[in-house]
Amino acid sequence: QQQVKQSPQSLIVQKGGIPIINCAYENTAFDYFPWYQQFPGKGPALLIAIRPDVSEKKEGRFTISFNKSAKQFSLHIMDSQPGDSATYFCAASVRGGATNKLIFGTGTLLAVQP
Amino acid sequence: NAGVMQNPRHLVRRRGQEARLRCSPMKGHSHVYWYRQLPEEGLKFMVYLQKENIIDESGMPKERFSAEFPKEGPSILRIQQVVRGDSAAYFCASSRTGTGAGDEQFFGPGTRLTVL
Repeated sequence: QQQVKQSPQSLIVQKGGIPIINCAYENTAFDYFPWYQQFPGKGPALLIAIRPDVSEKKEGRFTISFNKSAKQFSLHIMDSQPGDSATYFCAASVRGGATNKLIFGTGTLLAVQP
Repeated sequence: NAGVMQNPRHLVRRRGQEARLRCSPMKGHSHVYWYRQLPEEGLKFMVYLQKENIIDESGMPKERFSAEFPKEGPSILRIQQVVRGDSAAYFCASSRTGTGAGDEQFFGPGTRLTVL
């Protein structure tokens, strides 16, 4: 019940395309859902995050869509660029709980071809 | 405006030796988290500390691993008697608070541990 399932494992799109990465969870206590971007040899960088009181959040070219009833959320990257090629991780946590630990998905390796 | 700092960036140990990984949180952050990333896998939570206190160690292996975050100085993740299976990237993250506004976690560059 603590798992966050992420798909696809890898994704190839052409420059300008809109890659979509999906995550699903079981624990209804989760109420904070961040996305992280990781380049090879670097630490994860916080991209965007959403809470379940909204169904969509947009920051620049990155959009999170959230479906509370389905317990699913997804990341869309508009007008993708080769520089977006990285591994993307979704995560979830329980804000206000006894711990602030993040439960991560298994990651999606994105390649944006020029 | 330094971010989360970790050292060393790369650490090589032989089986049976000890590994000490250090993490200095961002300025103004008093909450520290350690995660482990095995090759081709996602990040797994290990331990959550606030100054001088362990808040959640549910992800820590029961033996050989320990963590501390003293009143002064960096947080330290200590692995005693390392084995090959400990080879991984260890990431530290920090947050300003543990809940509510300011609880976003920012990650350091990681320490890549190789056990020979």
